[in-house]
Amino acid sequence: EVQLVESGGGLVQPGRSLRLSCAASGFTFDDYAMNWARQVPGKGLEWVAGISWNSGSIGYADSVKGRFTISRDNAKNSLYLQMNSLRTEDMGLYYCAKDRGPQWLGLMDVWGQGTTVTVSS
Amino acid sequence: EIVLTQSPGTLSLSPGERATLSCRASQSVSSSYLAWYQQKPGQAPRLLIFGASSRATGIPDRFSGGGSRTDFTLTISRLEPEDFAVYYCQQYGSSRGTFGQGTKVEIK
Repeated sequence: EVQLVESGGGLVQPGRSLRLSCAASGFTFDDYAMNWARQVPGKGLEWVAGISWNSGSIGYADSVKGRFTISRDNAKNSLYLQMNSLRTEDMGLYYCAKDRGPQWLGLMDVWGQGTTVTVSS
Repeated sequence: EIVLTQSPGTLSLSPGERATLSCRASQSVSSSYLAWYQQKPGQAPRLLIFGASSRATGIPDRFSGGGSRTDFTLTISRLEPEDFAVYYCQQYGSSRGTFGQGTKVEIK
């Protein structure tokens, strides 16, 4: 069974950092690009970042560029999102999502259940 | 940034009826990089359609997508009880990918 399990969410003060992780199983992880997306409860969806199968190509939404860093460890079948200088507008449910091919397009065909990030003093 | 506007905001229909959802882009969507997702309460989104008209793996053929450039549609030919949900369109393929605000399909 293809599965993505996120972890690392929690409550953090504005300006602080948080690192999210995603454990993948049930598919050949290093054959596919991966993404992070987020959703404010009751609101819409936003693509956050994508990384190609070999980390050779990376992209970020303008709203997080320069503050967030996406990375992956193919030996551990894991995806990460380092989030620095967090703002209240970064709050939401963060999803790890598999792309359909090896290069990131932000076309997400498998999603985890998400991990919640709360930014508040 | 390409803005995607979905209409209507809410669609009230009965099981067995046909649903037609619209997604209009503020600029032409390159290479028909347009996708549709379904989301039910408490669940993650599920990919239905990509490339404007190709069904994702395991998606029933009552779901179909069409359109090009700035005007796209998702059609559900005959609504099943499990189809009542929120549907999002998305333009992808670059770091400026965006989602529409969603259309809720509810039981009439």
